[in-house]
Amino acid sequence: GQQVMQIPQYQHVQEGEDFTTYCNSSTTLSNIQWYKQRPGGHPVFLIQLVKSGEVKKQKRLTFQFGEAKKNSSLHITATQTTDVGTYFCAGGINTNAGKSTFGDGTTLTVKP
Amino acid sequence: NAGVTQTPKFQVLKTGQSMTLQCAQDMNHEYMSWYRQDPGMGLRLIHYSVGAGITDQGEVPNGYNVSRSTTEDFPLRLLSAAPSQTSVYFCASSFRTGRDGYTFGSGTRLTVV
Repeated sequence: GQQVMQIPQYQHVQEGEDFTTYCNSSTTLSNIQWYKQRPGGHPVFLIQLVKSGEVKKQKRLTFQFGEAKKNSSLHITATQTTDVGTYFCAGGINTNAGKSTFGDGTTLTVKP
Repeated sequence: NAGVTQTPKFQVLKTGQSMTLQCAQDMNHEYMSWYRQDPGMGLRLIHYSVGAGITDQGEVPNGYNVSRSTTEDFPLRLLSAAPSQTSVYFCASSFRTGRDGYTFGSGTRLTVV
């Protein structure tokens, strides 16, 4: 079945440092979604990418979708303590009845 | 517009008991799903539905049943609770199947003793 691998599993940074998490799929994706889950909270949808090579920005967050539509990344510039949480990618494929497969997430901690 | 509402927020069950986790959305979303999240782990799909009257299994369906009699509601039934079902359960929905981001409920924290 479809697998979505996410690395790293954990990342500890000093406030102000940059952070990147990577998502890789074993199959070509129709779209990739990114979510953020604060400690003790529920996942919150951040963004969806659908086009090959697409890049989208949300303030300090930059999302990329690979040319082959098998990988994606989320980059945070100058992390803040409010960025703490777990970031999940979720990959969708057209033949999967609309289901997206979630990666295991990257948990970010930020030291002030 | 309440979004996705899950009840209860917390529940303790004894092994062998049954219960229903409720999920309701008021956004006229077509797609609804249930996930479980174990400590430090990702989200595993239990069951999903692409519309009223249509349900299908996810990757970890054993021990759970669902039904979708209306667009708004998607309850998850635990048939005979086991300690291995101790987890946080999230309901999620999307407007169009496979084309929109998911809106998650706030979760139900279930402990089976």
